[in-house]
Order: sequence, then structure tokens, then C-alpha cells
Amino acid sequence: GAVVSQHPSRVICKSGTSVKIECRSLDFQATTMFWYRQFPKQSLMLMATSNEGSKATYEQGVEKDKFLINHASLTLSTLTVTSAHPEDSSFYICSARFIAVEQFFGPGTRLTVL
Amino acid sequence: AQSVTQLDSHVSVSEGTPVLLRCNYSSSYSPSLFWYVQHPNKGLQLLLKYTSAATLVKGINGFEAEFKKSETSFHLTKPSAHMSDAAEYFCVVSGAPGANNLFFGTGTRLTVIP
Repeated sequence: GAVVSQHPSRVICKSGTSVKIECRSLDFQATTMFWYRQFPKQSLMLMATSNEGSKATYEQGVEKDKFLINHASLTLSTLTVTSAHPEDSSFYICSARFIAVEQFFGPGTRLTVL
Repeated sequence: AQSVTQLDSHVSVSEGTPVLLRCNYSSSYSPSLFWYVQHPNKGLQLLLKYTSAATLVKGINGFEAEFKKSETSFHLTKPSAHMSDAAEYFCVVSGAPGANNLFFGTGTRLTVIP
């Protein structure tokens, strides 16, 4: 099946710093990539949807200036958490989609903000 | 509108006994339905999917699910639980045709007792 990677797998940063998370589709070109956030023992919450070369579409309640998404190519999307605070600590998961409705998920990135 | 209800937040079974994880959905369209599994601190892995073909869908690791339109259900089953099946399971329904988004259930944590 299609493979999606994320880097880093975990990151610890100080409050006020920015963190960038990369999401790559390794063996297919993703027309659309998605970013999710998952709190402990909860389901995934869609944060934003991005199409290559266009601005991301953010879900209601997600601050676009706080969570910057760039989808520069058909195989790479990045999520930058700007001026991170402890409440931003979470598990961030990306997914990628080619044509069909099925999404392929990355392994996730654990962000801890001290 | 699309929604998913996973009826049990936690299911506990003994190793070697059958597994039943229940899922009911609501959809204004002919949906695609998925079951994903998530092991601790890992991303989501697709177990199986229904996309309007055969109503009994076989997935990986011995899992299968049956799409029952009359009951709006898509329950996940496995004849014999293995210790490695212990994980979080998510039932997911697709959005409107042409839309990108998926709707996630709240998850069912499966515990397998030796």
C-alpha cells in the first residue's frame, strides 16, 4: 500500500518557539493532504486540508496563523506550529490522498511543549 | 449529514475468543466506510474498507466487517483474538461525494486478556 512518512516522530520544544513537521507521500503523488490532531484517548480532529499549490482550508476553530500549512509539492506538506505553548502539546497526524476517497496516514508526530 | 457512532468505548476479550466492535453510521449519501487500527503512539493503519462492492469485506489480520444498509451498521469482527490485536480501533465514514473529508468515530479500545 501507499506509504506516508512524518518527520520528526517526536519533538520537545520550549514555549514560544516554532516547530515544523513534515509529511511526505513516499510512493505516490498526493493531490490532497490532511492534518489531524489527536488528544490522549480521543479520536482524530481534522485541522486542515491542503491541496498542492493552493492555500490550506482550515476547520472551524483552528487558527491559521498559529498552524501554518505549506503544500509545496505533490509529495510534501509541512505543518508549522508557531509560538508553541504547552496547550499545543499533542499528537499530530497527517494523511495523504491520491484520487479515491481513501486516505493514507503517517505514523504521527508527538509534540511536547515545555 | 455524516456521522459515526462507535457503541463501545472499551471492549475486553480473552485471547482466542471472538471480537465484535460495533459501529453505526449516518450518511446522506452512499458512503464509503473504513476501519482503522492504531497502536500506542503510532499512526493509523487501514484494516479494511467498503466502497459499494461486496457487503462482506475482508481485511488484514483476519478481520472482516459487514455493511448492513438496513441497520446502518458496519461492525468489525474477528473469529479469534490475538494479543497483538490490542489497540484502538476507529470506524470512519466518507463525506459527501467529491468531498475530501472523513468522519471519525470516537474509537474503541480493545483489550485482549491472556
